[in-house]
Amino acid sequence: GQQLNQSPQSMFIQEGEDVSMNCTSSSIFNTWLWYKQDPGEGPVLLIALYKAGELTSNGRLTAQFGITRKDSFLNISASIPSDVGIYFCAGQGGSYIPTFGRGTSLIVHP
Amino acid sequence: DAGVIQSPRHEVTEMGQEVTLRCKPISGHNSLFWYRQTMMRGLELLIYFNNNVPIDDSGMPEDRFSAKMPNASFSTLKIQPSEPRDSAVYFCASSLAGLNTGELFFGEGSRLTVL
Repeated sequence: GQQLNQSPQSMFIQEGEDVSMNCTSSSIFNTWLWYKQDPGEGPVLLIALYKAGELTSNGRLTAQFGITRKDSFLNISASIPSDVGIYFCAGQGGSYIPTFGRGTSLIVHP
Repeated sequence: DAGVIQSPRHEVTEMGQEVTLRCKPISGHNSLFWYRQTMMRGLELLIYFNNNVPIDDSGMPEDRFSAKMPNASFSTLKIQPSEPRDSAVYFCASSLAGLNTGELFFGEGSRLTVL
């Protein structure tokens, strides 16, 4: 089955720093999605990418759908304490069901 | 607008007891997913319903787990008998399958502790 490798597993950064995380897949995806899970909550969609090469921004967040369709990255600029949480990538291929990465846990020190 | 509603938010039970988790999807959504989240395994898909019909239950760990969706606005995940290794956060998510965007809307989760 499809597998997603998400890295890094965790990040500890200072407020104001930029953050970068990525996902790679052994299979081609048609859609890449990035979710954020706040502590004690369910994941919430941040950005959706539908075309290879697509670069999309949502405020301080920027994500790209890799040209090979097997990878995606998420950048967060000028991090703030409320960016704390777990970030998940998810890829959707021929099956309607998205495959989730293991998550990147982000801690931001004030 | 109401999101996906799950209950209970927290449950502590003893090994061997039956556990029932409940989910009300977003009105109008026709796909429903049950996920289990643990530190060791991350988010695991347990079962997926489309139009109230189970489509893929290959993620259900074993016969102790069962899920039903009697109508478009309600689903249950049952564990009988429960074991300590079932301790996890269980999420329900819904989506509108026709859009085929892959976007899922998650509930707040049910944290299960089996002693």
